[in-house]
Amino acid sequence: DTGVSQNPRHKITKRGQNVTFRCDPISEHNRLYWYRQTLGQGPEFLTYFQNEAQLEKSRLLSDRFSAERPKGSFSTLEIQRTEQGDSAMYLCASSPDGQVNSPLHFGNGTRLTVT
Amino acid sequence: AQSVAQPEDQVNVAEGNPLTVKCTYSVSGNPYLFWYVQYPNRGLQFLLKYITGDNLVKGSYGFEAEFNKSQTSFHLKKPSALVSDSALYFCAVRDDNYGQNFVFGPGTRLSVLP
Repeated sequence: DTGVSQNPRHKITKRGQNVTFRCDPISEHNRLYWYRQTLGQGPEFLTYFQNEAQLEKSRLLSDRFSAERPKGSFSTLEIQRTEQGDSAMYLCASSPDGQVNSPLHFGNGTRLTVT
Repeated sequence: AQSVAQPEDQVNVAEGNPLTVKCTYSVSGNPYLFWYVQYPNRGLQFLLKYITGDNLVKGSYGFEAEFNKSQTSFHLKKPSALVSDSALYFCAVRDDNYGQNFVFGPGTRLSVLP
């Protein structure tokens, strides 16, 4: 169990640019989640996958955001035409199954700064 | 819909003293409650969970939490605080009526003073 891995750890970009983040979940975890955390707040749910299927998306996930998990392993989160309000920590988490009592295992996040 | 409140932004406690970090929740179905800890520039680490059964749940690093259904609370406790416990603590709830989404509270910053 090597833990959830996220890359890059930090990303600074100019407004209007596109960015992509990667998440490698714990192997054999079939659930993968994306959360966004702004300073002083708890994580806010964005979306989650069961294997390669994206099963739920938050209203926070505007049409500039897209997430994929093409082979049911790693996932990418892309933000197009970034805005300053997108500056946040983007957290990925995985869990072994869909049981409601299964905790999430988080990565260390990607901190995005949009200038 | 689910919601979580952590009424204290900051808790200060002296090393060796007991600590409590408060959490209240609102759900429509059965609650599944979790505590996580976050150190600077790191992700969240799972501490403990309440699913069913005993109202006192024991978790990692000597932490425990007490579930109180009538008060809809799930307070985190530790009998003797360490300076290394200083971090940001998040309470989270999952509602079996609302599928897979975890809802997190706003967090409480714990400072343990030597």
